[in-house]
Amino acid sequence: RKEVEQDPGPFNVPEGATVAFNCTYSNSASQSFFWYRQDCRKEPKLLMSVYSSGNEDGRFTAQLNRASQYISLLIRDSKLSDSATYLCVVNMFKTGNQFYFGTGTSLTVIP
Amino acid sequence: EADIYQTPRYLVIGTGKKITLECSQTMGHDKMYWYQQDPGMELHLIHYSYGVNSTEKGDLSSESTVSRIRTEHFPLTLESARPSHTSQYLCASWGGAEAFFGQGTRLTVV
Repeated sequence: RKEVEQDPGPFNVPEGATVAFNCTYSNSASQSFFWYRQDCRKEPKLLMSVYSSGNEDGRFTAQLNRASQYISLLIRDSKLSDSATYLCVVNMFKTGNQFYFGTGTSLTVIP
Repeated sequence: EADIYQTPRYLVIGTGKKITLECSQTMGHDKMYWYQQDPGMELHLIHYSYGVNSTEKGDLSSESTVSRIRTEHFPLTLESARPSHTSQYLCASWGGAEAFFGQGTRLTVV
């Protein structure tokens, strides 16, 4: 079983739409959680960390449910520039800070 | 911008050649990582390091080796390149609250 599983996508949404991505992780000892964004043929970059209480950054809202081992990302009022692959990332203290990446969910925002 | 650099950005090389992919960071991070990513696919951890003289293999079996003689430098070496090694290689370091990635090396073995 994979450490991190994400919605397979792809998501094709019109501008202005609200879109939600989900992610589950298998190891309850996981410590830190992140959403990264990866543009085509570029390196991943941190979009936002995910905190237990949930957190918001502009149009982006991330939530964590430790009991269900579930992470979500909500994007409101989608822009064309939001088109990218969104990676769910979990940091585990197994033997040092290993990062585990989901397969990524591709988002295309259509004019 | 993150201070983590990879060279070369692109490399086309013949089968059987020995190659070293360079990764350097100037942030003083102890933990560094190498990932392999095929186009449109997920990242796979191939090596990581907790600090100087520490190296470990990741979850994806790899014929590459790494070394960590200095904190800032984490090179990856392929002794004999094969077409199956064609991929993108991403180096990262952990800054306590965030992982920073280099721009990657896109390797093609012909």
